[in-house]
Amino acid sequence: ETGVTQTPRHLVMGMTNKKSLKCEQHLGHNAMYWYKQSAKKPLELMFVYSLEERVENNSVPSRFSPECPNSSHLFLHLHTLQPEDSALYLCASSQLGVGNTGELFFGEGSRLTVL
Amino acid sequence: AQKVTQAQTEISVVEKEDVTLDCVYETRDTTYYLFWYKQPPSGELVFLIRRNSFDEQNEISGRYSWNFQKSTSSFNFTITASQVVDSAVYFCALSGSLLNDYKLSFGAGTTVTVRA
Repeated sequence: ETGVTQTPRHLVMGMTNKKSLKCEQHLGHNAMYWYKQSAKKPLELMFVYSLEERVENNSVPSRFSPECPNSSHLFLHLHTLQPEDSALYLCASSQLGVGNTGELFFGEGSRLTVL
Repeated sequence: AQKVTQAQTEISVVEKEDVTLDCVYETRDTTYYLFWYKQPPSGELVFLIRRNSFDEQNEISGRYSWNFQKSTSSFNFTITASQVVDSAVYFCALSGSLLNDYKLSFGAGTTVTVRA
């Protein structure tokens, strides 16, 4: 099993649809992240969960709703998105606290297209 | 506030040429960490290196080398004798003290294309 797995890899949705992105990490880490990657822009940190508690919500619109049911799983629920939300959504995990090397382990991303 | 600037948007080279990627950072922290990540076409970012602000020694790992210059706030990355497999987007990133800091500030990335 790869360290961080994201599904689906590609998603096309209309502006009125509701969909979810899923992320699973098999590394035993205590923190999980959602990043948004748009063309020619730096990666934008959206949400951070540490020990299943949300510790960061980086001014993300409410049409994005994260969920972290346990330390290994992270979801991003999507509803009434806009075309400008089309991007690559990357999940990552890391170990915070003692043993933190600063290294993030990323999944391969979910490419989202909003029509 | 922390900021990372990668001024080069795209670089194209022919195989076996050397390529240097520039990274300039801004931070008020006295302790900080710098990173380089590689993003191949498959999408996942892959960690390449971490340096802390107290260690200015240059580092070499195979065909990769890094030049950390605190005086100019730069952390440049050189690929020697580039290969087609080096084609990817490369990101420079910065964080503060690591213990509970989860905020990596990423640059916009440099797309490297190595032509056969």
